[in-house]
Amino acid sequence: TQLLEQSPQFLSIQEGENLTVYCNSSSVFSSLQWYRQEPGEGPVLLVTVVTGGEVKKLKRLTFQFGDARKDSSLHITAAQPGDTGLYLCAGSGGTSYGKLTFGQGTILTVHP
Amino acid sequence: GAGVSQSPRYKVAKRGQDVALRCDPISGHVSLFWYQQALGQGPEFLTYFQNEAQLDKSGLPSDRFFAERPEGSVSTLKIQRTQQEDSAVYLCASSSIVGSPIPVTFGSGTRLTVV
Repeated sequence: TQLLEQSPQFLSIQEGENLTVYCNSSSVFSSLQWYRQEPGEGPVLLVTVVTGGEVKKLKRLTFQFGDARKDSSLHITAAQPGDTGLYLCAGSGGTSYGKLTFGQGTILTVHP
Repeated sequence: GAGVSQSPRYKVAKRGQDVALRCDPISGHVSLFWYQQALGQGPEFLTYFQNEAQLDKSGLPSDRFFAERPEGSVSTLKIQRTQQEDSAVYLCASSSIVGSPIPVTFGSGTRLTVV
């Protein structure tokens, strides 16, 4: 069974601060995705990383996939209140059709 | 449609009642997934359809849970004799391709509360 451990579970910071969310597993994933979910909505895909060591940037967000494809991180620079939400990592690779294994999620609150 | 549509958005069921949750995927999408999300947690896989074929139902928690997609488009997740532990958000997701990595689009979910 593939499991993803996500940390921290809760993060409460002030506007302008930087933060990092971690996603770790003992299993290898063929790809890893990061989602953001707002209350009452479904998860929305932010990025997919597929190559070990890959780094992707999306404005103030930087995503990294570990060399061994077992872990990933999401770094947000100069957080803004609009970044508030639930961040989820999800791995695929256990099946041929892309079933996702999600981490527990990180609830981020950015205070103005 | 433009996105994945789920109905109803909210459902309150008395314990023991049967419920049916509907998912309208994006038109033409081959793959359809159902996930269950408990409050404050990440979604957990329930079942997968490729067109009308249910290829994986390993995540269904009990035989009270049943899913179908008879014509390869709309899908229904049915829960019989609901129990309090069934309270969760049920998410449907669809994709135009089969394989990994795949970009899936999630619906807004149905929040089920069993009282």
